Amino acid sequence: GQQLNQSPQSMFIQEGEDVSMNCTSSSIFNTWLWYKQDPGEGPVLLIALYKAGELTSNGRLTAQFGITRKDSFLNISASIPSDVGIYFCAGMNYGGSQGNLIFGKGTKLSVKP
Amino acid sequence: NAGVTQTPKFQVLKTGQSMTLQCAQDMNHNSMYWYRQDPGMGLRLIYYSASEGTTDKGEVPNGYNVSRLNKREFSLRLESAAPSQTSVYFCASQTSGIQAFFGQGTRLTVV
Repeated sequence: GQQLNQSPQSMFIQEGEDVSMNCTSSSIFNTWLWYKQDPGEGPVLLIALYKAGELTSNGRLTAQFGITRKDSFLNISASIPSDVGIYFCAGMNYGGSQGNLIFGKGTKLSVKP
Repeated sequence: NAGVTQTPKFQVLKTGQSMTLQCAQDMNHNSMYWYRQDPGMGLRLIYYSASEGTTDKGEVPNGYNVSRLNKREFSLRLESAAPSQTSVYFCASQTSGIQAFFGQGTRLTVV
């Protein structure tokens, strides 16, 4: 089945630094989604990308849908302590398998105050 | 706004016991999903329901059954719990606009 490779698995950064993480797929998607999960909570949607090449921002977060449709990245600028959590990418081909999401294994972000 | 509500939040079962995890959404979404989350594995789809009255298997359906009771509710049943089913279970609902909303999870331990 389809698989997503998400990297890095974890990262420690200094507050104020920029963060970058990415996902690559063995096959193409027509939608990429990025979620954040806080401890003890469910994932929360951060950014949705619907077209190849699309670049979308949400505050300090910026995500891009790769031209090949097989990858996506998420950047966080000027990180703050509340950015701590696990970030998941997810790909979907809406209309194929009823819009089912394929998730990456997550990037655990820890910020040094 | 309640969104997606899961009950219970925590549960401990003995091997062989059965239980049902409940999920309800108040957003009038057609599609609902059950995932399990294990350390280092991300979220994996157990079952989904594209609309009221339909259910289909996901990636890891063995040992589970589901019921789409009505448009609001989608339950997940473990008929004979096994230690391998120790996990965090998430219910999600989704609109045709391709947004997925997750509940807070049920933390299940099977001993």
